[in-house]
Amino acid sequence: KQEVTQIPAALSVPEGENLVLNCSFTDSAIYNLQWFRQDPGKGLTSLLLIQSSQREQTSGRLNASLDKSSGRSTLYIAASQPGDSATYLCAVLMNTGNQFYFGTGTSLTVIP
Amino acid sequence: GAVVSQHPSWVICKSGTSVKIECRSLDFQATTMFWYRQFPKQSLMLMATSNEGSKATYEQGVEKDKFLINHASLTLSTLTVTSAHPEDSSFYICSARQAVLPYEQYFGPGTRLTVT
Repeated sequence: KQEVTQIPAALSVPEGENLVLNCSFTDSAIYNLQWFRQDPGKGLTSLLLIQSSQREQTSGRLNASLDKSSGRSTLYIAASQPGDSATYLCAVLMNTGNQFYFGTGTSLTVIP
Repeated sequence: GAVVSQHPSWVICKSGTSVKIECRSLDFQATTMFWYRQFPKQSLMLMATSNEGSKATYEQGVEKDKFLINHASLTLSTLTVTSAHPEDSSFYICSARQAVLPYEQYFGPGTRLTVT
């Protein structure tokens, strides 16, 4: 069974700092990988989706990379802002189609 | 991006009653929808996969007679919590997957259920 792990579980940084969130998965037979953000008591907002054939995707200050063979993805946030404070989740869609596994999440706090 | 709505956003009910939660994909068709449950400070736990026009597939340990799922159209799935108990209190989130590439998933805002 696929296991998706995120490190660190929690991260606190001062405003303006660049940071990296890590996501690792045990089964590389994935179709795509998504990064989400969740604010307290809210649903999930999709940030970036990387197809298994892609190496990275960028949106604004966010850059996500994927190394499928080693089972790793990173989410890079440039020039962090207090509004970036949230829990970040990665999730993988398996090649079989319906199975979608979430990571354990990283709780980010950006200090003004 | 695509929008998924849930209704209600929060609900309080008495023990023993049933509660229905709706999940709608507003601007795209979703042949597959998913229902998750989330406890405080934990990640999402998949409860069931709902396919339009067929029976839902439940994850191990999820009681299908307690959590009734109906996916009657390409834009609507419902989750009914039957004979609710306080331990069913949780945050329920649905998601809908695009029927076309790249099969991106979009999530609803969640429903907070409190059973008293």
